[in-house]
Parts: sequence; structure tokens; C-alpha cells
Amino acid sequence: KAGVTQTPRYLIKTRGQQVTLSCSPISGHRSVSWYQQTPGQGLQFLFEYFSETQRNKGNFPGRFSGRQFSNSRSEMNVSTLELGDSALYLCASSPRQGTEAFFGQGTRLTVV
Amino acid sequence: QKEVEQNSGPLSVPEGAIASLNCTYSDRGSQSFFWYRQYSGKSPELIMFIYSNGDKEDGRFTAQLNKASQYVSLLIRDSQPSDSATYLCAVTGFQKLVFGTGTRLLVSP
Repeated sequence: KAGVTQTPRYLIKTRGQQVTLSCSPISGHRSVSWYQQTPGQGLQFLFEYFSETQRNKGNFPGRFSGRQFSNSRSEMNVSTLELGDSALYLCASSPRQGTEAFFGQGTRLTVV
Repeated sequence: QKEVEQNSGPLSVPEGAIASLNCTYSDRGSQSFFWYRQYSGKSPELIMFIYSNGDKEDGRFTAQLNKASQYVSLLIRDSQPSDSATYLCAVTGFQKLVFGTGTRLLVSP
């Protein structure tokens, strides 16, 4: 069974630009969650999607948004990038909400 | 009060010793409990889950759950240098998986 696939693996963007990250969950998993991780910080929860609907949202500004498609694939968008958005962005898929999560390899975003 | 709390460490143990990692949680309604291992620069990897009070063993790993005291622990027997990583505790509550900030484990040869 294929794992969680995140693309791209690495990104370098300039302040003010926007970026879209993609996540393909494990086949059959319907819940996709996004996390931000910075050096010295724990996993910061961004949001969770289940059946194409955002079910939970973390404490991040509106510049961070996401969506989920009918095939459970998810995208995350960050607009007006700031230097502080440089981080490892992790996607995790779960069979259902609130169950074990399996992480992708992450997208490392650098904002310069 | 944080929903899931872990000592950030580092917890240093010699090779071959037992490493004990602890986690407390605030939501008494939590149903499922998970331990993840994260190597530096890598994504978290699920290593154990436990749903019922008591112990659950898987190889060198034992997860212990005490719902009355609201804590869950992970024991690693015969610790190896390759076990050096950050260990994240995660707990489900209100259909949401909540992570602790992790405990860094260092196993010295």
C-alpha cells in the first residue's frame, strides 16, 4: 500500500508570493490533516479535512487555507508569504477523524 | 494547561538501559493514545498505539496507559543509539488528534 505522498519536497519562495502544497493520502483514508513544524517547535496543527469539509482548524491566520477533493487528495495554500512561514509542512492521513495518523515526508518551505 | 504535555528532555540513557517516556493529557474523554518517533529532519512515524488501560508490548516497546491518572508512557527496553530521536505522544479528543511537543531521547554508546 502506498504511503502518504507530498509534493513538492522542497520549495524556495520570496516574501509576498503564494505557495500551494499537495498531499495524496493513503488509499481509503478520508481524513487529511496539515501541520507546520519549525526548529524547536512541536507540531502546530493547521487544519483537518474529512469528506471535502474542513472539520477542525488551528490557530493560524487566514493566509493559510486548504481544501480537499472528492478523491481525498488535499492542497494547502499560503498567501503573502512571510519569512516566518519557513518550516516543514507535514500532511497526515487517517482512516477516519481522530484515529491514527500516517505522515508524509513533508514539504520543506524556505521563504527568502 | 496544555492538552497533551511531555517533558522536552533531553532524556539521556546509556545503551542497553530502559528509557521511560511520559505523557499526560487533560481531556478525560480521550479514547486513543499514540506514540510517534521522529528522527531529526524526518517526519513522525507511528510506533505504538493503545486504547485500554494497562500495558501493551511490541518488541522492545511497551506502552502503558492509566486513564484514571490521565497519563500514558512508553518504555523502550535495551535502548540502542538508533533509538535516539524525539518521541511524540498523541491523544484523540473530540475527533481531533492532539500532539504533545515531544521528548528528545539520547542513547549513548
